[in-house]
Amino acid sequence: KAGVTQTPRYLIKTRGQQVTLSCSPISGHRSVSWYQQTPGQGLQFLFEYFSETQRNKGNFPGRFSGRQFSNSRSEMNVSTLELGDSALYLCASSLDRVGTDTQYFGPGTRLTVL
Amino acid sequence: AQSVAQPEDQVNVAEGNPLTVKCTYSVSGNPYLFWYVQYPNRGLQFLLKYITGDNLVKGSYGFEAEFNKSQTSFHLKKPSALVSDSALYFCAVRDMNEYSSASKIIFGSGTRLSIRP
Repeated sequence: KAGVTQTPRYLIKTRGQQVTLSCSPISGHRSVSWYQQTPGQGLQFLFEYFSETQRNKGNFPGRFSGRQFSNSRSEMNVSTLELGDSALYLCASSLDRVGTDTQYFGPGTRLTVL
Repeated sequence: AQSVAQPEDQVNVAEGNPLTVKCTYSVSGNPYLFWYVQYPNRGLQFLLKYITGDNLVKGSYGFEAEFNKSQTSFHLKKPSALVSDSALYFCAVRDMNEYSSASKIIFGSGTRLSIRP
């Protein structure tokens, strides 16, 4: 089975621009979560989607948004980029939205904001 | 509210020696606990998890972890370290009592494990 894929792998943007990141979960997985990883803040939860519905959200400003499609693929969007948004954005998928399910992570998208 | 702590930023061990990476947690109900490893420029890889049952959980690459409810700990261990074990390790917890209100997984700050030859 193919793993979680994320595109693009690397991205360079300037302040004020917006960006869309994509995540394709493992086949059959219905839950997708997004995380932001930075050296200073570590791994922070952004949001979780299950069957096209946002089921949980972290403490991020409204500039961060996401969605999930009927095939479970997910996108996250960041508008009006700030320097502090530079980070590794990780997507994780799991079979079902049950607490025992293991999340499998993609390789991440490294976003650099200049 | 749930939380997880990894008290050591870095752990240094000689190859062949046993290793321990510490993790403590705080939840209001029953914890679901996970360990992940991250190699440079890669995503996180699942190592093992504790849901219920035997307190000693065995996982990938020879790693194991012991759940200790009284000490609220879930330390990661390996009897004999390899240089290839050098990586960043994350402990994570989900509070199942909060599940009905859509709990989320909280990750620790990470511990960098360095194995010297």
